[in-house]
Amino acid sequence: QVQLQQSGPGLVKPSQTLSLTCAISGDSVSSNSATWNWIRQSPSRGLEWLGRTYYRSKWYNDYAVSVKSRITINPDTSRNHFSLQLNSVTPEDTAVYYCARIISVAGTNWIDPWGQGTLVTVSS
Amino acid sequence: DIQMTQSPSSLSASVGDRVTITCRASQSIGSYLNWYQQKPGRAPMLLIYAASSLQSGVPSRFSASESGTDFTLTISSLQPEDFATYYCQQGYSTPQVTFGGGTKVEIK
Repeated sequence: QVQLQQSGPGLVKPSQTLSLTCAISGDSVSSNSATWNWIRQSPSRGLEWLGRTYYRSKWYNDYAVSVKSRITINPDTSRNHFSLQLNSVTPEDTAVYYCARIISVAGTNWIDPWGQGTLVTVSS
Repeated sequence: DIQMTQSPSSLSASVGDRVTITCRASQSIGSYLNWYQQKPGRAPMLLIYAASSLQSGVPSRFSASESGTDFTLTISSLQPEDFATYYCQQGYSTPQVTFGGGTKVEIK
């Protein structure tokens, strides 16, 4: 059974960097059939995909246009986890952040599992 | 981006009722449509993948279907543990997966 365990601070000051980590158990961050994603949820924006990292003979990243200039997602194969960094945060970045695996099988894909979620508040 | 429009945004129902939730895609997405259940304070949980395939462990009272760009989630007999918010999600336009706005199922 695959599980994702998130860690990181719940309060970040405006203009600073939001940093979260997602530890994977039961699968590998280097899996050839999964991508490792960050998704956030807020009342104003709903569920919003932020970006992903994945391995297909080499490492790739994709980011949402809305955050592309501020986001970095990195894998860590030694610890089997991946991380999110979002720079220059504003109160609009206040949300519950989830890490999630997207599995691709037989021409389709779905999100399973999700991390437990981290409420990140941007406030001074 | 592909827009996913869910309706209704909320509904009130009683235990034992049949409940239907609809999701419409702004363009063709094939069967790349998944449904999730989210309870307060919890992460979403996969119910249905590939438009109509029931995730392992999900009760058989949940079912789903598709017709073109319209997708439907049905709960045949609502149980107390089913009161939650339900989301559709398209996986056609990766990596930019997008979600519907959610349907909150409340107790009448």
